[in-house]
Amino acid sequence: DAEITQSPRHKITETGRQVTLACHQTWNHNNMFWYRQDLGHGLRLIHYSYGVQDTNKGEVSDGYSVSRSNTEDLPLTLESAASSQTSVYFCASSDLALAGLNEQFFGPGTRLTVL
Amino acid sequence: KNQVEQSPQSLIILEGKNCTLQCNYTVSPFSNLRWYKQDTGRGPVSLTIMTFSENTKSNGRYTATLDADTKQSSLHITASQLSDSASYICVVSADNAGNMLTFGGGTRLMVKP
Repeated sequence: DAEITQSPRHKITETGRQVTLACHQTWNHNNMFWYRQDLGHGLRLIHYSYGVQDTNKGEVSDGYSVSRSNTEDLPLTLESAASSQTSVYFCASSDLALAGLNEQFFGPGTRLTVL
Repeated sequence: KNQVEQSPQSLIILEGKNCTLQCNYTVSPFSNLRWYKQDTGRGPVSLTIMTFSENTKSNGRYTATLDADTKQSSLHITASQLSDSASYICVVSADNAGNMLTFGGGTRLMVKP
């Protein structure tokens, strides 16, 4: 069955380290998204991509980067981890379906703790 | 700024009872509204998607309503089950492609036996 996976599921790192969170989908979806979820906030968009070699900044992109070298993967990199980046990170994907009704499918999440 | 507000923040009900969750939004332009269910430790899963022309949509025991004039939506859960314990998130899309989503903070529902 097609799916979207994230790894690792849990990560503890230290302030200042570079961290990469992986996201892999087997639906062959064009669109991929990264969100963070914090208590007291709804999910907030970090970066998104509409296809290979396409990347765009979202609402809370500072301190994060992404690259899209193939359809299946959109890794999220924290260049220099900060305690404010402690959060749960979700990857999602969607396809070019009916306009306005693209359903986003979410991965299981990665819980990141920055000490 | 686009915003989605949900109430209550949390709710405890007994198994078998009904409940209604509320969502108010100030998203413009409006394309569609979605309700997601998020189990603890998992990603959100879509329950319903409604465009401005739809005022009700059902998915089993879940029924969502939409009033685009007052910018309000509700999710009604009938005959609750223990497996309904989860967070329910209201999400509004401002773009026609449905890619740019504004998420509410969610209502955490606990169903007790």
